[in-house]
Amino acid sequence: EIVMTQSPATLSVSPGERATLSCRASQSVSSRLAWYQQKPGQAPRLLIYDASTRATGTPARFSVSGSGTEFTLTISSLQSEDFAVYYCQQYDDWPLTFGGGTKVEIK
Amino acid sequence: QVQLQESGPGLVRPSETLSLTCTVSGGSISGYYWAWIRQPPGMGLEWISYIHQDGETKQNPSLKGRVTVSADSSKNQISLNLNSVSAADTAMYYCARFIGSGSRWFDPWGQGTLVSVSS
Repeated sequence: EIVMTQSPATLSVSPGERATLSCRASQSVSSRLAWYQQKPGQAPRLLIYDASTRATGTPARFSVSGSGTEFTLTISSLQSEDFAVYYCQQYDDWPLTFGGGTKVEIK
Repeated sequence: QVQLQESGPGLVRPSETLSLTCTVSGGSISGYYWAWIRQPPGMGLEWISYIHQDGETKQNPSLKGRVTVSADSSKNQISLNLNSVSAADTAMYYCARFIGSGSRWFDPWGQGTLVSVSS
């Protein structure tokens, strides 16, 4: 099973600042990585797939770099609606696995 | 726009079977893969299983064979059965779609249904 590790667990950021979230895979997943955003009381929402392709409706301030085992999600200028929990998910191999999440909170 | 809605009992007794249904509207279940994912309270996400309308299925080995999924094209529904439940199965259960074998990201998701396992 591919283990996905996200860091930090919690990130405190002021509105307008940049947020950098990390996702690491225990073995290479190539570019088969997705990111989701989950707000309290809501289902996760797809943000990014194929490592760096923004899903429909994902603002351009969300970008991803990396491939293989190390990925970084960057939110260039945090807006109020961006405070949420973010999960990465690999789909290179079965079982499909998620990281433990990074909570982005208001500083 | 495809929408998914999970339904089922909110409380299940230990050792019994959890049964949930996902109703798909705004599109057909044909040609797509449909997955179940769960999230224990305050915790992360775990993929449970998937089914394709042609009957292809796969489940997470962590569930130790307790999972059965099925699809009903006439009702446009996907179903999940999880047997021999325990408190560890208490979670929000989501259904979600993925497009295909090389595109196994989940979009869209249902709103989820909370299932508690308790006597």
